[in-house]
Amino acid sequence: EAGVVQSPRYKIIEKKQPVAFWCNPISGHNTLYWYLQNLGQGPELLIRYENEEAVDDSQLPKDRFSAERLKGVDSTLKIQPAELGDSAVYLCASSLGSGRGVYNEQFFGPGTRLTVL
Amino acid sequence: AQTVTQSQPEMSVQEAETVTLSCTYDTSESDYYLFWYKQPPSRQMILVIRQEAYKQQNATENRFSVNFQKAAKSFSLKISDSQLGDAAMYFCAYRSVLNTGTASKLTFGTGTRLQVTL
Repeated sequence: EAGVVQSPRYKIIEKKQPVAFWCNPISGHNTLYWYLQNLGQGPELLIRYENEEAVDDSQLPKDRFSAERLKGVDSTLKIQPAELGDSAVYLCASSLGSGRGVYNEQFFGPGTRLTVL
Repeated sequence: AQTVTQSQPEMSVQEAETVTLSCTYDTSESDYYLFWYKQPPSRQMILVIRQEAYKQQNATENRFSVNFQKAAKSFSLKISDSQLGDAAMYFCAYRSVLNTGTASKLTFGTGTRLQVTL
């Protein structure tokens, strides 16, 4: 079974440019998460989707960040315009659901390392 | 809001020896999950071990075991017979069992970098 797929693995852009990250969750997983991991820190949740609905985006900086999950499968996270402080690793994770139960374990992708110059 | 604290930025252990990584957390909930994740240089977060708060028995997974002290809100990871492949960042994480709002998110600590020497 394929794991969570993310692309690109690395992205270098200049500030004020737009950038997009793509995530393909594990087949059948209804819940999808985007996490931000700054250097030397643990990941922090940006947004959670239940199928195609964003049910928790309280930590997403909506002035420059946007996300979508069309048809409840793949997801795209966009930054426009990027700032120097956006340099970080963006992790995608998925789970069968988000309620109680070990079957709702989150599986992570390899992340995208973004560098903003 | 829940918080997770890892007070050891770096730890070192010799191959075949045992090391313990510390984690404390703060929550007002009585039921929750605790996890240890490993993050090698490839950046992929890998689940090492899971503990359900309502279970008194400490979880074990082969060479990995935890010491879960619910009253003290402590959740340490013990790695026995350390191997070179254990070298990585280790993150302690908390998740509520609820499914409302932000409850199902993982709250991570700042991590402990484990070095394994020959």
